[in-house]
Amino acid sequence: SAVISQKPSRDICQRGTSLTIQCQVDSQVTMMFWYRQQPGQSLTLIATANQGSEATYESGFVIDKFPISRPNLTFSTLTVSNMSPEDSSIYLCSVPGRESNTDTQYFGPGTRLTVL
Amino acid sequence: SQQGEEDPQALSIQEGENATMNCSYKTSINNLQWYRQNSGRGLVHLILIRSNEREKHSGRLRVTLDTSKKSSSLLITASRAADTASYFCATDTIPRDDKIIFGKGTRLHILP
Repeated sequence: SAVISQKPSRDICQRGTSLTIQCQVDSQVTMMFWYRQQPGQSLTLIATANQGSEATYESGFVIDKFPISRPNLTFSTLTVSNMSPEDSSIYLCSVPGRESNTDTQYFGPGTRLTVL
Repeated sequence: SQQGEEDPQALSIQEGENATMNCSYKTSINNLQWYRQNSGRGLVHLILIRSNEREKHSGRLRVTLDTSKKSSSLLITASRAADTASYFCATDTIPRDDKIIFGKGTRLHILP
């Protein structure tokens, strides 16, 4: 399994500001995923971050709102830009597992964001 | 978008009883997974069942898969307080693109 850390673990931010969330993995991985989990809801995939290429965003998510960096094979950042209270969520990064022909994922502990 | 629909949405049982959660999905899959999430923290992978399997066991967990009905169940036997968590099913996509889609989840509460 992979060990994944996220920073910050939680934050309270003011409307209109931006927050950058960091995700660090203890091994090199090609793909990293960023999810949003709104209060009481399930996980929704925001984007897939591949090292060396632009992130691929899911329907409903755009780069201007959620810019992603992937400078190397063990690290990624997600920025939540121009925040509004609707952005209050848990943001999680994940990486694929190693079991062949499956899409098992290992998750970071999440970043709990509250926007006032 | 959500692929899986879990039911019940919430479940409270006495410690020691068995807990059963169900998941239905809409499209064909290669495999289905179950994850646990404690108190809004990171998800932990519990078990994966492939589309050619009908049942799988791991410790106190038993998962079934019925591809004809596009449904799966997760049974936790002899529940413990530490099993209190949210449980999510997740399915892959065909053709595979390394992404998984999560269901809405079941909140399980084990009563002492």
